[in-house]
Amino acid sequence: DVKVTQSSRYLVKRTGEKVFLECVQDMDHENMFWYRQDPGLGLRLIYFSYDVKMKEKGDIPEGYSVSREKKERFSLILESASTNQTSMYLCASLGGFFYEQYFGPGTRLTVT
Amino acid sequence: SQQGEEDPQALSIQEGENATMNCSYKTSINNLQWYRQNSGRGLVHLILIRSNEREKHSGRLRVTLDTSKKSSSLLITASRAADTASYFCATDWGGATNKLIFGTGTLLAVQP
Repeated sequence: DVKVTQSSRYLVKRTGEKVFLECVQDMDHENMFWYRQDPGLGLRLIYFSYDVKMKEKGDIPEGYSVSREKKERFSLILESASTNQTSMYLCASLGGFFYEQYFGPGTRLTVT
Repeated sequence: SQQGEEDPQALSIQEGENATMNCSYKTSINNLQWYRQNSGRGLVHLILIRSNEREKHSGRLRVTLDTSKKSSSLLITASRAADTASYFCATDWGGATNKLIFGTGTLLAVQP
């Protein structure tokens, strides 16, 4: 079974803090993704990575950066957290028979 | 740049009834996928249908695709309380099949 894990289920940070969200997958997938999910807006792609050290912006990259130093790990960084970044953050990797995305359990981030 | 829009936004049915959700999208696709999300968790892949397919079955799930109308439907037969979840359609970006665009989801409540 593919496993995608995220470092925290719940996180509370203060405005202006630097925030790191970690995602690890155990199936040697090349493609990994970060989304944020907000009520009524569905999932929106922040960044994705198609190989180590390779990244591409998604729909809403502003205020975020990413790091992929190892194949299994994809990190999302909020350089200076703001209250409008309060959201559910979902990580996914791509693979499998149907080339589907496998999701982690999500991190609910609250910025106060 | 939301690609998929689900309809209805919310659906409440009794156990044993069938549930139908619809998805419309805007541009040409290679495939369309459906995912389920239990409350506060990550998404789980349910089924994929390719653009040259019109119908696909998996257990109690039946998916149809009409590329001329740019729409798809997901039918869950003989629903159970455990089917209570949000359901999302996701389409690829045409040429770039690694990225998915998710709709806003249908919240299904199955009453026991």
